Amino acid sequence: EAQVTQNPRYLITVTGKKLTVTCSQNMNHEYMSWYRQDPGLGLRQIYYSMNVEVTDKGDVPEGYKVSRKEKRNFPLILESPSPNQTSLYFCASSFLSVNTEAFFGQGTRLTVV
Amino acid sequence: AQKITQTQPGMFVQEKEAVTLDCTYDTSDPSYGLFWYKQPSSGEMIFLIYQGSYDQQNATEGRYSLNFQKARKSANLVISASQLGDSAMYFCAMREVSGGYQKVTFGTGTKLQVIP
Repeated sequence: EAQVTQNPRYLITVTGKKLTVTCSQNMNHEYMSWYRQDPGLGLRQIYYSMNVEVTDKGDVPEGYKVSRKEKRNFPLILESPSPNQTSLYFCASSFLSVNTEAFFGQGTRLTVV
Repeated sequence: AQKITQTQPGMFVQEKEAVTLDCTYDTSDPSYGLFWYKQPSSGEMIFLIYQGSYDQQNATEGRYSLNFQKARKSANLVISASQLGDSAMYFCAMREVSGGYQKVTFGTGTKLQVIP
């Protein structure tokens, strides 16, 4: 089954404790991206990757890191989480062509206390 | 300026009626794609419909159609014959391709409630 898998689905952590949210896709998509969703703000792109070892900043990259060592995986790293990073996070993947839709993971609800 | 603007935070529609959700966009790139996604209360993001910047005809997918007016930079979603299951958040998104980058921008969403 074609899917984007994010883990964990729910995470509560403390300020400053490094965490990683994993994202994996099985559709051989070149393009992968991370979004955060906050009430009233919609989804905002954090980082994206157009292929292995090619990443770039989205609109809200501060406080986040990503890596793309393999085509299928695109982890999101918060090296020192802060409460303002409490949010719902989505990973998505698609082919590189502009006319292809994104497939989304199920989302990760992160709470930083 | 906002790249994607959805001016209707919430809307109501009677079951079986049609409803239009507004979306305007702003870009100077000649090549871009416009998408609509649905997010039910369960939280997943579901792709509904796509319109390319070079497409001459409006996109349609079942009960969904996209009213694309390029000169006005609008890409409104029309849902015909609304059903109770259409109650959800709806997001308009734009994918821009320019030089070496390819960014995606979402609007703030419209919450649609279908009334029996």
